[in-house]
Amino acid sequence: AQTVTQSQPEMSVQEAETVTLSCTYDTSESNYYLFWYKQPPSRQMILVIRQEAYKQQNATENRFSVNFQKAAKSFSLKISDSQLGDTAMYFCAFMKPNFGNEKLTFGTGTRLTIIP
Amino acid sequence: DTGVSQDPRHKITKRGQNVTFRCDPISEHNRLYWYRQTLGQGPEFLTYFQNEAQLEKSRLLSDRFSAERPKGSFSTLEIQRTEQGDSAMYLCASSLMLGGEQYFGPGTRLTVT
Repeated sequence: AQTVTQSQPEMSVQEAETVTLSCTYDTSESNYYLFWYKQPPSRQMILVIRQEAYKQQNATENRFSVNFQKAAKSFSLKISDSQLGDTAMYFCAFMKPNFGNEKLTFGTGTRLTIIP
Repeated sequence: DTGVSQDPRHKITKRGQNVTFRCDPISEHNRLYWYRQTLGQGPEFLTYFQNEAQLEKSRLLSDRFSAERPKGSFSTLEIQRTEQGDSAMYLCASSLMLGGEQYFGPGTRLTVT
């Protein structure tokens, strides 16, 4: 079974600064996907960024980028030029691709607060 | 594309009552998931549908829980004889293809008093 660990329950950063959220995972699989999801207060969860394990290049989406270290089983999220709208819970998630069930295994989340 | 919708958004019930939640996935998505999220935790997988077939259930899903997806469209999750430990946010998600993004609904927050 896979496990996902987020060791930072809460973080806060000044607006416009850069912040990095940590995630480690444990799996015996060689092919998998990793995700960062954002859950704003009282709003639904949305995908921030995804990474395929077979790709060596780190994924980037505008101000969001990841540092994927497959050997270390580490998958951190960097948010550059942070904005007030980035305030949310951030969840790291693991998925094994499958023609059937592709359930997500989530970490416990990091509550990020952007301070004006 | 109207996104994944869930109804109701909030439900307060007394212990021992039955409750039913509904999820409407994105129309062309054949995969549908139910997750449960308790305070301070990440979502945990409950059950998975591919079209109308329920293909996997978590051991978290006791026999008081039942889920259906008739005709492969909307899905319902019923909890019988609710207990206080059932209080949680119940999330529905849908996806289309292998390795595809799961789109989440806003969730149904259940409070059992």
